[in-house]
Amino acid sequence: EAGVAQSPRYKIIEKRQSVAFWCNPISGHATLYWYQQILGQGPKLLIQFQNNGVVDDSQLPKDRFSAERLKGVDSTLKIQPAKLEDSAVYLCASSLGRDSNQPQHFGDGTRLSIL
Amino acid sequence: GNSVTQMEGPVTLSEEAFLTINCTYTATGYPSLFWYVQYPGEGLQLLLKATKADDKGSNKGFEATYRKETTSFHLEKGSVQVSDSAVYFCALSDRGSARQLTFGSGTQLTVLP
Repeated sequence: EAGVAQSPRYKIIEKRQSVAFWCNPISGHATLYWYQQILGQGPKLLIQFQNNGVVDDSQLPKDRFSAERLKGVDSTLKIQPAKLEDSAVYLCASSLGRDSNQPQHFGDGTRLSIL
Repeated sequence: GNSVTQMEGPVTLSEEAFLTINCTYTATGYPSLFWYVQYPGEGLQLLLKATKADDKGSNKGFEATYRKETTSFHLEKGSVQVSDSAVYFCALSDRGSARQLTFGSGTQLTVLP
């Protein structure tokens, strides 16, 4: 089966600019996650979707970050305006459901550098 | 809240050496436990998991046993290979956190030929 697809792989922008990331989960996976992974740290959950509804966005900095999954399939994560501390790898993951026994499958991530 | 503490790295071993990466956790309920591996430039891949106390997860020669009494899930491999060089993450998921994954900070493993 095809894995989780993310684009772009790399993005370099200046602070205060905006950026968007795209994720296409594995076909049939109802649950989609966005994680932020800062260099040297483990991934931190930003937002979790179940189909096209938000399950948890408590750790999403809503003053600058937004995410949507309009048709319950693809998702986009946007940052506007970007800050230096947003430099990180943004990982998308998907799973069949919210059961903890269902593994999350990760994409290769988008590496964001803020100048 | 939930947390995962991993042995600090980096860890450097010679090929065929024995590997242990320590992981302990704090959780409010009865979590499922996972080890993920991240190769350079790639996303995380599930290596193994255990869903209840005393379960042993195993894959590709790696093993970890869910120890409820010591709240631990240490990763072991009897004989590492150069291809095992990667970053290893311990993680937990429980019902109290809507089954979201909480990750440790990762341990960089380098295996030398």
